[in-house]
Amino acid sequence: GENVEQHPSTLSVQEGDSAVIKCTYSDSASNYFPWYKQELGKGPQLIIDIRSNVGEKKDQRIAVTLNKTAKHFSLHITETQPEDSAVYFCAASMYTGKLIFGQGTTLQVKP
Amino acid sequence: NAGVMQNPRHLVRRRGQEARLRCSPMKGHSHVYWYRQLPEEGLKFMVYLQKENIIDESGMPKERFSAEFPKEGPSILRIQQVVRGDSAAYFCASSPLSTDDRYFGPGTRLTVT
Repeated sequence: GENVEQHPSTLSVQEGDSAVIKCTYSDSASNYFPWYKQELGKGPQLIIDIRSNVGEKKDQRIAVTLNKTAKHFSLHITETQPEDSAVYFCAASMYTGKLIFGQGTTLQVKP
Repeated sequence: NAGVMQNPRHLVRRRGQEARLRCSPMKGHSHVYWYRQLPEEGLKFMVYLQKENIIDESGMPKERFSAEFPKEGPSILRIQQVVRGDSAAYFCASSPLSTDDRYFGPGTRLTVT
């Protein structure tokens, strides 16, 4: 079945630096790739997504890139701020609608 | 437009009791998904429902777990005869279509004592 691998599991950066989180997926039929941010005690919040007909998408300080040939996609956060500290999850989905999540990355932004 | 609502937010059950978790999707959303998150782990898909239909239950344990999304009212995830291993956060998400963005609720944290 579909599998999503996410790296790194923890990431610590200084405020103002960039952070990159990478995911790979196994099923080439996957066509939707969202990223979620989860703060302690809360539900995951959708922050950005990309579909298989697009290679890159940007929203202010957040960008996502997709390489369908290599079956990997990445989240880029620039000019990180302490409020960016959270757990980030990537996910992949096929037409069936079922989202498969990565294991999560705990991002710590040090002031 | 209110977000996805889940209740209760916290639920404590003794082993052998039943747990009923409720999810009200966002207005206009007819697709509901349930996920389970164990401590320090990612979210695991359980079941995908549309109104009155189970579309995909490949992530549901074969026994003790059931889900429904009736024509009227919230979606219900039901766990019978709970065991300690059922302790987890259960999240519900909704979308207007299966291909659209999913929006998650705040979760129900189930503790089995």
